[in-house]
Amino acid sequence: DGGITQSPKYLFRKEGQNVTLSCEQNLNHDAMYWYRQDPGQGLRLIYYSQIVNDFQKGDIAEGYSVSREKKESFPLTVTSAQKNPTAFYLCASSIQGAGAFFGQGTRLTVV
Amino acid sequence: AQRVTQPEKLLSVFKGAPVELKCNYSYSGSPELFWYVQYSRQRLQLLLRHISRESIKGFTADLNKGETSFHLKKPFAQEEDSAMYYCALRTGTASKLTFGTGTRLQVTL
Repeated sequence: DGGITQSPKYLFRKEGQNVTLSCEQNLNHDAMYWYRQDPGQGLRLIYYSQIVNDFQKGDIAEGYSVSREKKESFPLTVTSAQKNPTAFYLCASSIQGAGAFFGQGTRLTVV
Repeated sequence: AQRVTQPEKLLSVFKGAPVELKCNYSYSGSPELFWYVQYSRQRLQLLLRHISRESIKGFTADLNKGETSFHLKKPFAQEEDSAMYYCALRTGTASKLTFGTGTRLQVTL
């Protein structure tokens, strides 16, 4: 059963801690994306990657980091430098010429 | 820089009325345009893309390069169309996929 999986669904973090969100896909897609979804602001691009071992900053990369060591995986780390980390995070993957497939999302809450 | 603008946060229509969700983009190159939909408690999913020129669930969208628009249309709204709709732009070579802020479509009886 092909798809894109994000885990966990809900995540709580204490202020000052780093936390890593998982995103895995078995669609053999080259490109992967991380977005942040906030009410009234739509989806804002954090990072994206076109191929393994390469990634680019999106529009709101400050306070976040990523890695792309495997084609299937694109984990996102929310660092303590991110001033307002509480949000809904979406991961997506795509191939050239086709639309993107999205995961179910991870809701991160800073407590 | 590429940008997608959806001017309406909320569009409320009666069942059976025509629907038009507006989308304008800014990009100097050759764009790929998409519409995505998010129904309540479901993941974001692709509705249609300009390259395929298809009609999905009665929705169509035409790319107008002169007006840099990609408006989503449906002649007769149904209750099940109530959802959040996002327009998206992808640049050909960089694969950067940029979304608008979304429009909530509310279809009432």
